[in-house]
Parts: sequence; structure tokens; C-alpha cells
Amino acid sequence: DAGVTQSPTHLIKTRGQHVTLRCSPISGHKSVSWYQQVLGQGPQFIFQYYEKEERGRGNFPDRFSARQFPNYSSELNVNALLLGDSALYLCASSFETDQETQYFGPGTRLLVL
Amino acid sequence: GDSVTQMEGPVTLSEEAFLTINCTYTATGYPSLFWYVQYPGEGLQLLLKATKADDKGSNKGFEATYRKETTSFHLEKGSVQVSDSAVYFCALSDRMDSSYKLIFGSGTRLLVRP
Repeated sequence: DAGVTQSPTHLIKTRGQHVTLRCSPISGHKSVSWYQQVLGQGPQFIFQYYEKEERGRGNFPDRFSARQFPNYSSELNVNALLLGDSALYLCASSFETDQETQYFGPGTRLLVL
Repeated sequence: GDSVTQMEGPVTLSEEAFLTINCTYTATGYPSLFWYVQYPGEGLQLLLKATKADDKGSNKGFEATYRKETTSFHLEKGSVQVSDSAVYFCALSDRMDSSYKLIFGSGTRLLVRP
């Protein structure tokens, strides 16, 4: 079975631009979460979506937004990029009956210049 | 708030050595605990989990026991291999209302030498 997939794998943007990252969950998973992992640190929670509704939001500015589609795939949008947004963005999915056990994709590495 | 503390790395071992990576947590409730592994240039892979006190999670020779009395979830392996070289993250689940999120430690890099 396919795992969580993310696209693109790498991205280079300049300050002030916006970016859209995409995620497809494991088949049958209805919950998708997004995490930011800065180099040398553990992942930090950004959002959780379940059945197309935002269920949780981490301590990130309003420049970060996300949505989930009817097929349970998800997008993470970041506006007005800052240098500090450079990181690995990880998507994770989980079963509706076990949302705390999360399975991660390979991530999108974003570099902001 | 809830938090996870891991021993700082890197941990450098020879092949077939015994591995322990310490992890302690602070939580108001009784969260589930997880170990994830991250190989260079990749995402996180779930290694094992434990959902309640005294549970032992195990996978691929790795083990960790949920110790409520010491708020710990140390990762152990009896005989490491070069292929175990990676960064290991301890995490706890934090549930608030209908939201689930993982809180991670800062990671411990393991380097196994032949």
C-alpha cells in the first residue's frame, strides 16, 4: 500500500512569495496533520484536519493556512514567506479511530532566499 | 504545557553494542508515547508506541517501556547495526477537545560504526 505522499519534494522561494504544499494521505485515513521541522530540531505541530474541518492549530502566524479536500488530501499554504520559514514540512495521516498514531510522508524541503 | 526531553547526541556506538536513548516527558494526563526514526533526507517512520503505563512497545529489535512512575520511555536495542544510524525522536500525543497532535523531543542522533 502507498504511504503518505507529498509534493513537491524540494522548493526554493524568495522572501515575500507564497507557497502551496500538497499531501495525499494513506488510503482510508481521514485525518491529516502538518508539522514544520527546522534543521536540528523536532517537528512542530501546525494543523490537524479531519473530515475537511480544522480540528487543531499550533502556534503559527496567520500566514499559515491549510485545507482538506473531499478525497482527504490536503494543502498547506504559506504567505509572505520569511527566511525563517525554511524547513522540512511534514504531512502525517491517521485513521479516524486512532488519530494519535500518525504516519508521516517524506516531507517537502522549503528553502526561502 | 506537555513536553518531551531527550538525551543530547550524537550517540556513537560500535556495531553490536547495546543502545539506550533516554526520554522523559511532562504531561498533565496519560498520553500515548512514541518513538520515530528519521534516516538522512527522509521523513519520520513510526518505530514503536505504548498507550498506557507498563506497556512495552517493540519493533525491529527496539524496545521501550512506558514508565509512569519515572515519566520515562527509554529506547533500547540489544545489538545495533550500522543501518540503525539515524535520528531518533521521542514523542507524546496531546489530545485537546477533538484535536490530536504529537509533541516531539529534539531528537538524538545515533552513529553506529562498523
